[in-house]
Amino acid sequence: KQEVTQIPAALSVPEGENLVLNCSFTDSAIYNLQWFRQDPGKGLTSLLLIQSSQREQTSGRLNASLDKSSGRSTLYIAASQPGDSATYLCAVAGSARQLTFGSGTQLTVLP
Amino acid sequence: SAVISQKPSRDICQRGTSLTIQCQVDSQVTMMFWYRQQPGQSLTLIATANQGSEATYESGFVIDKFPISRPNLTFSTLTVSNLSPEDSSIYLCSVEGRGTSTDTQYFGPGTRLTVL
Repeated sequence: KQEVTQIPAALSVPEGENLVLNCSFTDSAIYNLQWFRQDPGKGLTSLLLIQSSQREQTSGRLNASLDKSSGRSTLYIAASQPGDSATYLCAVAGSARQLTFGSGTQLTVLP
Repeated sequence: SAVISQKPSRDICQRGTSLTIQCQVDSQVTMMFWYRQQPGQSLTLIATANQGSEATYESGFVIDKFPISRPNLTFSTLTVSNLSPEDSSIYLCSVEGRGTSTDTQYFGPGTRLTVL
């Protein structure tokens, strides 16, 4: 059974800092890996999707990497802003596209 | 991307009753999923609902408790039956497939259920 772990559980940084969120998974037979953002009282927003054959994806200030053989992914956020404050969720898709989620990293960017 | 709406957005229900949650998508999609997010927890998949076939339930979830309908390619319902306080959660639907960017899953805003 796939298990997804995210470290750290919570992170507080001053505005402008670059930061890295970590995700690890136990079964390397994945279809893809997705990073989501969840704001309080709202649904999930898809940030980046990395196919199992890819190594990284970039969107604006966000860069996600994937090392499938070691079961790891990182989400890099450059020049953090207070608007980046949210919970970031890593999710791994199996062959049937079902997602297994990590417990999330709660990010606070201080002005 | 896909625009997904859910009804109701929140509800408070009495123990022993049932709640049916609707999920509507603005385009035809192949795969729909139902997730549960218990307080302070991450999301857990309940079942996969594909049009024209029975829903596929994950371990720990059964059809009698969580019956699902998928009558067409834009709509699905999840019923949470015989409610207990432990069912208090946010229930989210998601979609993947035709009409969305390849492989990305898009989520509805969720239905917040409180059981008294």
